[in-house]
Amino acid sequence: NAGVTQTPKFRVLKTGQSMTLLCAQDMNHEYMYWYRQDPGMGLRLIHYSVGEGTTAKGEVPDGYNVSRLKKQNFLLGLESAAPSQTSVYFCASSYIAGNDEQFFGPGTRLTVL
Amino acid sequence: GENVEQHPSTLSVQEGDSAVIKCTYSDSASNYFPWYKQELGKRPQLIIDIRSNVGEKKDQRIAVTLNKTAKHFSLHITETQPEDSAVYFCAALNYGQNFVFGPGTRLSVLP
Repeated sequence: NAGVTQTPKFRVLKTGQSMTLLCAQDMNHEYMYWYRQDPGMGLRLIHYSVGEGTTAKGEVPDGYNVSRLKKQNFLLGLESAAPSQTSVYFCASSYIAGNDEQFFGPGTRLTVL
Repeated sequence: GENVEQHPSTLSVQEGDSAVIKCTYSDSASNYFPWYKQELGKRPQLIIDIRSNVGEKKDQRIAVTLNKTAKHFSLHITETQPEDSAVYFCAALNYGQNFVFGPGTRLSVLP
């Protein structure tokens, strides 16, 4: 049981480049989330999904897109990376949305030059 | 929407002493309050949680208290050990909505 996995672990981009972060979970969770973590600012929700084929905006969605084509996978895309998107990105999943633990992936450290 | 504040932002204690971290929330409808521990370079992991129908919950050296009237909840760590050094995040959740995390508290346990 791998839990929640993320690829890649590290990435360096130049301004304007695009990339996709992949999150996978093998716990049959319905809900999946993408957060970014910046120093001193805790975890901020970018986008989330309440089930296969659904996505919704979180607190800081601008500059990101997501897709949930399969229940176990949640993709986060940056179409045109900016230095302000330098951060650590965490994916999480939970069985239900309320009153339920979120399980986090190991994180992706992204640097945009 | 929900807003979660967390204090202090940094906390240093001597090994064996107690540590207390406090969070306040704004949405009176929030009903689930987890605490996550994040060690340096690692993912956040749940250490304890409390639901709105409970005032206190304990798990060995860790306890969480909830005051719904005042809209605040606190994490208590007793007999602190060096391995307790980490960043601790509180969060609040209204059923059907999404977690809102506090900004974190960096706890240092000095030997």
